[in-house]
Amino acid sequence: GAVVSQHPSWVICKSGTSVKIECRSLDFQATTMFWYRQFPKQSLMLMATSNEGSKATYEQGVEKDKFLINHASLTLSTLTVTSAHPEDSSFYICSANMVSEAFFGQGTRLTVV
Amino acid sequence: QQQVKQSPQSLIVQKGGISIINCAYENTAFDYFPWYQQFPGKGPALLIAIRPDVSEKKEGRFTISFNKSAKQFSLHIMDSQPGDSATYFCAASRYGGTSYGKLTFGQGTILTVHP
Repeated sequence: GAVVSQHPSWVICKSGTSVKIECRSLDFQATTMFWYRQFPKQSLMLMATSNEGSKATYEQGVEKDKFLINHASLTLSTLTVTSAHPEDSSFYICSANMVSEAFFGQGTRLTVV
Repeated sequence: QQQVKQSPQSLIVQKGGISIINCAYENTAFDYFPWYQQFPGKGPALLIAIRPDVSEKKEGRFTISFNKSAKQFSLHIMDSQPGDSATYFCAASRYGGTSYGKLTFGQGTILTVHP
């Protein structure tokens, strides 16, 4: 199947700093990518839809100024958590679709201390 | 309208047994129903998926049963193995339209298969 790669796999940052997470589709082009957040033992919650060449679409309740999404090319979307705080600590997962099937990255564990 | 409800929250099965996980949805516009397997610290991986034009789909030990009128679908894992121990998520999405590709996930089921 298609491969979606996320980097980094885990990151620890200090409160108040910003963290960038990359999501790449390695063997296919993705005009749309999705960003999810998952708390321990909980389901995946869609944060935003990343659209190549245009603004991201955020789900209700997600702060777009805090979670900056850039989809600069057909194979790369980035999520930047700005001014991170401990409550932003979570598992962030991206996905990209090829035809009807969604392929997920391996996730990024963000810990804000 | 966008919810997908999944049960049970957790499931313990003996090796060789059948694991059954159920999901129910509300939005009749959903037309793609995948099941994902997730191991700790990893992203979800697609197990099997079904479209509403069929009532059952089987791939190896995994079977999806789909009941369109009841708006329910289920995952059956035959001959469950300890390696199947993971969290399973059902999901639903619209194949077309402006919501294309947006998945709504169920709450997840933690499956433990005892040897």
